[in-house]
Amino acid sequence: GAVVSQHPSRVICKSGTSVKIECRSLDFQATTMFWYRQFPKQSLMLMATSNEGSKATYEQGVEKDKFLINHASLTLSTLTVTSAHPEDSSFYICSAHKGRTPDYEQYFGPGTRLTVT
Amino acid sequence: TQLLEQSPQFLSIQEGENLTVYCNSSSVFSSLQWYRQEPGEGPVLLVTVVTGGEVKKLKRLTFQFGDARKDSSLHITAAQPGDTGLYLCAGNNQGGKLIFGQGTELSVKP
Repeated sequence: GAVVSQHPSRVICKSGTSVKIECRSLDFQATTMFWYRQFPKQSLMLMATSNEGSKATYEQGVEKDKFLINHASLTLSTLTVTSAHPEDSSFYICSAHKGRTPDYEQYFGPGTRLTVT
Repeated sequence: TQLLEQSPQFLSIQEGENLTVYCNSSSVFSSLQWYRQEPGEGPVLLVTVVTGGEVKKLKRLTFQFGDARKDSSLHITAAQPGDTGLYLCAGNNQGGKLIFGQGTELSVKP
């Protein structure tokens, strides 16, 4: 298998502040990581693809200046929610794949519950 | 735009019953992955199917990939309360990016 960790698991912040979420691949190197957002009882919504050493690719409708992504090493990607608002409250999940074999299986972190007050 | 239609979205059954979850698309995927997610946790990979017509079994769970690699099904035999959770199918569009279905919220009552 493959282990992906996220930190913190839960965070509460005040409106207008910024929050950083870390995603780490613990036992493999990941040139590509993904960031998702999930609302209760719903499926995952892809926000962006994070590539090591280059700019992230954002999905349509996701504000890149609000959700800053940095993939500084082969084992770490960070998502910073800037100037957070209550509507940013959600469950954020990252994933990583180990490459082409077998066909880009993705391994998910445990998620981060963000609450903006 | 590739879409993956997953059904049913909600399923509540009694322990011991069988069930099938379907994922359908008009697009071809290079592979399809099934995940199970519990509340407050990340999805856990159950299986990846790659070859058209492929069938994989994981204890009481049977996964099938359609011959044309556009659809897949998950069948659970003799469901148990421990099977309760959100089941997600996700198609790989060859670029490593997953297209997720809407999810199936399964509740198995004792």
